[in-house]
Amino acid sequence: GAVVSQHPSWVICKSGTSVKIECRSLDFQATTMFWYRQFPKQSLMLMATSNEGSKATYEQGVEKDKFLINHASLTLSTLTVTSAHPEDSSFYICSARGGSGGAADTQYFGPGTRLTVL
Amino acid sequence: SQKIEQNSEALNIQEGKTATLTCNYTNYSPAYLQWYRQDPGRGPVFLLLIRENEKEKRKERLKVTFDTTLKQSLFHITASQPADSATYLCSGYSSASKIIFGSGTRLSIRP
Repeated sequence: GAVVSQHPSWVICKSGTSVKIECRSLDFQATTMFWYRQFPKQSLMLMATSNEGSKATYEQGVEKDKFLINHASLTLSTLTVTSAHPEDSSFYICSARGGSGGAADTQYFGPGTRLTVL
Repeated sequence: SQKIEQNSEALNIQEGKTATLTCNYTNYSPAYLQWYRQDPGRGPVFLLLIRENEKEKRKERLKVTFDTTLKQSLFHITASQPADSATYLCSGYSSASKIIFGSGTRLSIRP
């Protein structure tokens, strides 16, 4: 099956620093990538959708300047949390879509990144 | 507004029985629905995709149905095992709308 990786799996940083999270589709080309955040015992909250080579589309209420998304290639998207604050602490999960055949519609998720801002 | 709703209450099932989870959608016409399993602290794992023109799909002990009249999908796990305990997410996709996820149903299988 299609595999999506994320790095790092967890990160602890000081308030005010920036953190970059990478999302890679390992065995397929992802035409579309999605970034979600999830709070404990809550569902996934879509932050933004990005297509390779174009600007990300952010959901209402998500600050573009705070959550920078780059989808530079068909296998890599990055989310940078700029000037992180404790309220940004959360579980960030990426997903990718764009496999071949029937799998082209399926959205595959990465394992998630736990961000803790002190 | 467009919604995907899943039973927010946890479902407790005796091992060996069939677990049935429900996903209802409103103000929405998904071209397909996807079911995922999520364990605590992990990303969702894809299980099954069913399209609007498919009534049923199976994969090993899993079965998914899609009823466009009732606007509902049912997810069944037969011969349930304690290892099936997890949160199960339903999501829908339509070309006119973004992908929408339900809030998930927590399933517990007791030995």
